[in-house]
Amino acid sequence: DAGITQSPRYKITETGRQVTLMCHQTWSHSYMFWYRQDLGHGLRLIYYSAAADITDKGEVPDGYVVSRSKTENFPLTLESATRSQTSVYFCASSESDRGVYEQYFGPGTRLTVT
Amino acid sequence: AQSVSQHNHHVILSEAASLELGCNYSYGGTVNLFWYVQYPGQHLQLLLKYFSGDPLVKGIKGFEAEFIKSKFSFNLRKPSVQWSDTAEYFCAVKEGGNTGKLIFGQGTTLQVKP
Repeated sequence: DAGITQSPRYKITETGRQVTLMCHQTWSHSYMFWYRQDLGHGLRLIYYSAAADITDKGEVPDGYVVSRSKTENFPLTLESATRSQTSVYFCASSESDRGVYEQYFGPGTRLTVT
Repeated sequence: AQSVSQHNHHVILSEAASLELGCNYSYGGTVNLFWYVQYPGQHLQLLLKYFSGDPLVKGIKGFEAEFIKSKFSFNLRKPSVQWSDTAEYFCAVKEGGNTGKLIFGQGTTLQVKP
């Protein structure tokens, strides 16, 4: 029972490079989310997806791209990494259970941009 | 826009002390409310949730929360904290509609001294 996994768990990259963070869930949940967590800012939503091929911007989408060709995968790409994108990134998934949308979180990816 | 406010940013308690963390939300419709916990270096895990019925909700590890509709509050409580409760605590409310999105508070860091 893998649940929701993220890879890599740790990544160091240089400014200007493209980086892709992977998220995979085994529950076939419809909804998937990407958050970043920074000290003093709590959790901020980057992008979310209600189903395969349906994505929408969250609170802080600039500099990020997502895709969702398959229900179980939701990769997040930093097109040209900047130091301000150094953060911990969490992926989450959810499904409506009698109208309740509990989110399940992955273990996170700690990204450092030098 | 909906919002969630957590009044305490940093709480320090001694073991066996009682805990109450405040959470207020702004949303007049039917609510789904959540408390998540994040232990140091880990991902967010669900402590408890409320969507209907008894406004006093029991969660894991001895936590409970009370939904008070008239006050738009969902405070988290524990009668006697342990050192292992040291963590960050997030209150969240589901956004209206069917986006599946949760609105998170800024988080409260709880430090329990042995």
